[in-house]
Amino acid sequence: EAGVAQSPRYKIIEKRQSVAFWCNPISGHATLYWYQQILGQGPKLLIQFQNNGVVDDSQLPKDRFSAERLKGVDSTLKIQPAKLEDSAVYLCASSGGRGEEQFFGPGTRLTVL
Amino acid sequence: GNSVTQMEGPVTLSEEAFLTINCTYTATGYPSLFWYVQYPGEGLQLLLKATKADDKGSNKGFEATYRKETTSFHLEKGSVQVSDSAVYFCALNDYGGATNKLIFGTGTLLAVQP
Repeated sequence: EAGVAQSPRYKIIEKRQSVAFWCNPISGHATLYWYQQILGQGPKLLIQFQNNGVVDDSQLPKDRFSAERLKGVDSTLKIQPAKLEDSAVYLCASSGGRGEEQFFGPGTRLTVL
Repeated sequence: GNSVTQMEGPVTLSEEAFLTINCTYTATGYPSLFWYVQYPGEGLQLLLKATKADDKGSNKGFEATYRKETTSFHLEKGSVQVSDSAVYFCALNDYGGATNKLIFGTGTLLAVQP
């Protein structure tokens, strides 16, 4: 069974530029999560989707971050414009439903210069 | 709010030594508790979990017991190997309506030397 796929694996941008990350969850998983992991900290949830609807985006900085999950499968997370403090690993995870195990992708490491 | 506190690293051990990584939590209600492992260059993997008080999760020689009275979920292994070198995260599942988010500790780096 294929795992959660993410791309790109690494991205370096200048501050004030925009960037987008892509996630393909495990086939059939209805719930998709985006976490931000800053160096030296544990992952923090940014947004949770159930199919193509948003369940929780309370920690998403909506003035610069946006996410969508069209057709309830793939998802993209965008940052525009990026700030230095956005440097982090962005993890995508999926699960079959509420209460089920979350499976994580390898992450995208973003460096903002 | 709910939170997880785990011991700071790095933890450096010799092969075959005993491992303990402490984890305590603060939560309303009765969350499920997890240990995740992150090997170099890889994503997070679930190592073990426990869903109620006194449950013991175990996997690959690692164990952790859900202690409600001390709000703890310490990770232990009797004899570590070089291949166990990784970052270990303690986490709880914060159920809030439809949300199912994980709340993580800061992670503990384990380095096992031959």
